[in-house]
Amino acid sequence: SQQGEEDPQALSIQEGENATMNCSYKTSINNLQWYRQNSGRGLVHLILIRSNEREKHSGRLRVTLDTSKKSSSLLITASRAADTASYFCATGNQGGKLIFGQGTELSVKP
Amino acid sequence: DAGITQSPRHKVTETGTPVTLRCHQTENHRYMYWYRQDPGHGLRLIHYSYGVKDTDKGEVSDGYSVSRSKTEDFLLTLESATSSQTSVYFCAISESTAHETQYFGPGTRLLVL
Repeated sequence: SQQGEEDPQALSIQEGENATMNCSYKTSINNLQWYRQNSGRGLVHLILIRSNEREKHSGRLRVTLDTSKKSSSLLITASRAADTASYFCATGNQGGKLIFGQGTELSVKP
Repeated sequence: DAGITQSPRHKVTETGTPVTLRCHQTENHRYMYWYRQDPGHGLRLIHYSYGVKDTDKGEVSDGYSVSRSKTEDFLLTLESATSSQTSVYFCAISESTAHETQYFGPGTRLLVL
């Protein structure tokens, strides 16, 4: 069964707007990661946030982690058409494996 | 794709036939994984390897076997393919402990008729 659940399942915005995706999980974690998948391609790692961190930035990406609520959010600022993709959260725990959510499909219209 | 190739990239096969998918890496990473991706299920771990000849089962291992005789190669075998194994299969690698960043191959689309 999947640990991470993304919300919303699909998101459609205009270029220049911000996109926010959320991920909830159930058990304790060591880290939470976000990946992007363009259509027909493999997943690409975007950012990793550890359980003792609350916020992390990478370029136009901002990730927050609230371990008390077992949730994370990914914010993409000033979105571009090239950001159109599916975004997945994945949780890493002491079991030694990543568990992926089902993803959010982001569509950025020019 | 971080020095990861998968072969074949596309395959059509018939129910009951054996199928082997290959993952090859040039990064000398210790950990290798096989996932399947299906609509409504996201990515699910089939098997993984934490070293040469060291493998373990994932979430959906029934009907699959793996082998790793060299650091760079991780093979996934469907002993007798079924239509429920129609999927996109991804190989991934990671350098250190298994829950750190993973790097994915381009995927193999498998259709079992």
